Amino acid sequence: EADIYQTPRYLVIGTGKKITLECSQTMGHDKMYWYQQDPGMELHLIHYSYGVNSTEKGDLSSESTVSRIRTEHFPLTLESARPSHTSQYLCASRPTGGAGFGYTFGSGTRLTVV
Amino acid sequence: GQQVMQIPQYQHVQEGEDFTTYCNSSTTLSNIQWYKQRPGGHPVFLIQLVKSGEVKKQKRLTFQFGEAKKNSSLHITATQTTDVGTYFCADPTNTDKLIFGTGTRLQVFP
Repeated sequence: EADIYQTPRYLVIGTGKKITLECSQTMGHDKMYWYQQDPGMELHLIHYSYGVNSTEKGDLSSESTVSRIRTEHFPLTLESARPSHTSQYLCASRPTGGAGFGYTFGSGTRLTVV
Repeated sequence: GQQVMQIPQYQHVQEGEDFTTYCNSSTTLSNIQWYKQRPGGHPVFLIQLVKSGEVKKQKRLTFQFGEAKKNSSLHITATQTTDVGTYFCADPTNTDKLIFGTGTRLQVFP
């Protein structure tokens, strides 16, 4: 089973609140990613990191921010949650190099902003 | 920008029937990956194809990479209810960002 953990699994929060979605992996992977997925829809890359102190914005514009202070930890923060942020957020990781390595995904955080 | 489209968007089949999903890219791909996402679950890596014209099999699943490396397909023989889910192709890209296709949702009726 995947060694990548996301908490919380579900979160209902009021508009304007600051939230942090946690993602940790125990596989020593350098590369980590955050995806946003609405129910039944495709995944959109919102942030990624190639290693410690590396963060990049993905293809989908997002009002969230990320940090990568430790290899195993890649939290995502929303400074002021809005109903439009309601979605599922999936964290993934991948080892550097090695052909054929797939991405390992966490179980996701389902966020509802009311 | 780069687009990875899949058809069909939905497919309902009777158990035992075959199923195929097609993936088309607007650009030439270096590799293509396939993932399966069960309802309520997260994507799980199935396979990666690298070579032009490559065909790989996993039990009842057959994956193919087009000769021009701009398309790929996944074929499931004799579907089972355990095959239910959404199948995504994905482009790892040269910058190691995984770009997902639009997905095909498969429903299997017993």
